[in-house]
Amino acid sequence: GENVEQHPSTLSVQEGDSAVIKCTYSDSASNYFPWYKQELGKGPQLIIDIRSNVGEKKDQRIAVTLNKTAKHFSLHITETQPEDSAVYFCAASMKNQGGKLIFGQGTELSVKP
Amino acid sequence: NAGVMQNPRHLVRRRGQEARLRCSPMKGHSHVYWYRQLPEEGLKFMVYLQKENIIDESGMPKERFSAEFPKEGPSILRIQQVVRGDSAAYFCASSQGQGGAAEAFFGQGTRLTVV
Repeated sequence: GENVEQHPSTLSVQEGDSAVIKCTYSDSASNYFPWYKQELGKGPQLIIDIRSNVGEKKDQRIAVTLNKTAKHFSLHITETQPEDSAVYFCAASMKNQGGKLIFGQGTELSVKP
Repeated sequence: NAGVMQNPRHLVRRRGQEARLRCSPMKGHSHVYWYRQLPEEGLKFMVYLQKENIIDESGMPKERFSAEFPKEGPSILRIQQVVRGDSAAYFCASSQGQGGAAEAFFGQGTRLTVV
């Protein structure tokens, strides 16, 4: 089955710097890659996603890139702010398995003012 | 448009009791997924349901756990004879469409504590 690896497990940056989180997946049949932000005591919030027919997607300060050949995808947050501090999860999904998501282990991002 | 609603938010059960977790999907969504999150770990898929059907239960423990999504009413995740290892946050997500790569939105979760 699909396996998703996520790095780093913790990331600390200064406010205004960029943050990059990387994920790799094992099954080339995966075709949908969402990213979720989870704040303490809350549910995961979808922040951006990318499908396998696209190499890059951007939404304001957040961007995601996908390299299908290498089977890895990354989240880029620019001009980080303290409110970006949270745990971020990547995930992968295959079309023939409905919307079942396989999650990475999570990255705890801390943005220091 | 209300989001995914889960209740209760917190649930305390003694070992051996039953736990019932409820999830109402977003309006217009007919696909429901349950995930479990152990402390300081990622989310693990448990089960995928559509109305009156279990589509994929490959992540469900073989015993004590069951799920349903009836024609009317919320989806229910039921844990019988709870043990301390069942203590976790249980999240429900919903999506629309024909399955496949559709955006899934999560509820706030139910935090189960077994004492």
